[in-house]
Amino acid sequence: EPEVTQTPSHQVTQMGQEVILRCVPISNHLYFYWYRQILGQKVEFLVSFYNNEISEKSEIFDDQFSVERPDGSNFTLKIRSTKLEDSAMYFCAWPGAGTTLGYTFGSGTRLTVV
Amino acid sequence: GQSLEQPSEVTAVEGAIVQINCTYQTSGFYGLSWYQQHDGGAPTFLSYNGLDGLEETGRFSSFLSRSDSYGYLLLQELQMKDSASYFCAVRRAAGNKLTFGGGTRVLVKP
Repeated sequence: EPEVTQTPSHQVTQMGQEVILRCVPISNHLYFYWYRQILGQKVEFLVSFYNNEISEKSEIFDDQFSVERPDGSNFTLKIRSTKLEDSAMYFCAWPGAGTTLGYTFGSGTRLTVV
Repeated sequence: GQSLEQPSEVTAVEGAIVQINCTYQTSGFYGLSWYQQHDGGAPTFLSYNGLDGLEETGRFSSFLSRSDSYGYLLLQELQMKDSASYFCAVRRAAGNKLTFGGGTRVLVKP
C-alpha cells in the first residue's frame, strides 16, 4: 500500500485545459520526483525536485509543465494546456533512506484528456 | 543516452521459476532496481543491486554483473498473485532519477 496519497485518483479534462495533480507525502523528503506512464508503456521520468528547486527535467517536461511545493508538504504538478498525448498515469515518488532501498511511488493519478 | 532491454512477456505455471533478464547501456551507472506493477497499480520496489552478485529477498532474487551490463530477476515458487509487470530500472550516480526498461509482463497459469 503506497504511503503517499495522490489526488485526484482520476481526472478527465478537455484538451487545452489546465490540470493540477497533487501529492501528499507522509514523511518529509528533500528529493521528490514526478513520473508518468502512458497506458501499456514504461514508466518515464519527468522531473526531479531537490530542496524546493528543479534539479533535473526530461525532454517531456516542456514549458507546459511546472512543479511546486506550495505549502511545504504538498507537491503539485501542473499542466497548463493539456494535449491528448498527456493522457497517462502520473506518479510522484521519492527515494528511500540510503542507497539500497527502493523508491516509493504514490498511488497515481489517471489523467484522461479528451 | 540510456537504454534497457527486457523481454516483453513471459508465461509460466504456478510453482515454476521465472528469470527476467535485463541488459542496459548507460553512463555513470550506480545500481539496478526491480519493480513490480499490477494492472492499475503503482510500481512497488522489489530489489536493488549496487554491487555484483545475488541479492535474495524471499521468493525473489536479483543478480547484477556490472562488467556485462546485465542483471536478472528470479521469481521462484510462482504464485497466481505474481502475475504482473516487472520493470528493471537503472539509477545513475548523478542525481537520483530512475530510468525504466519497457517491462516484462509475467502471466502465471494454474
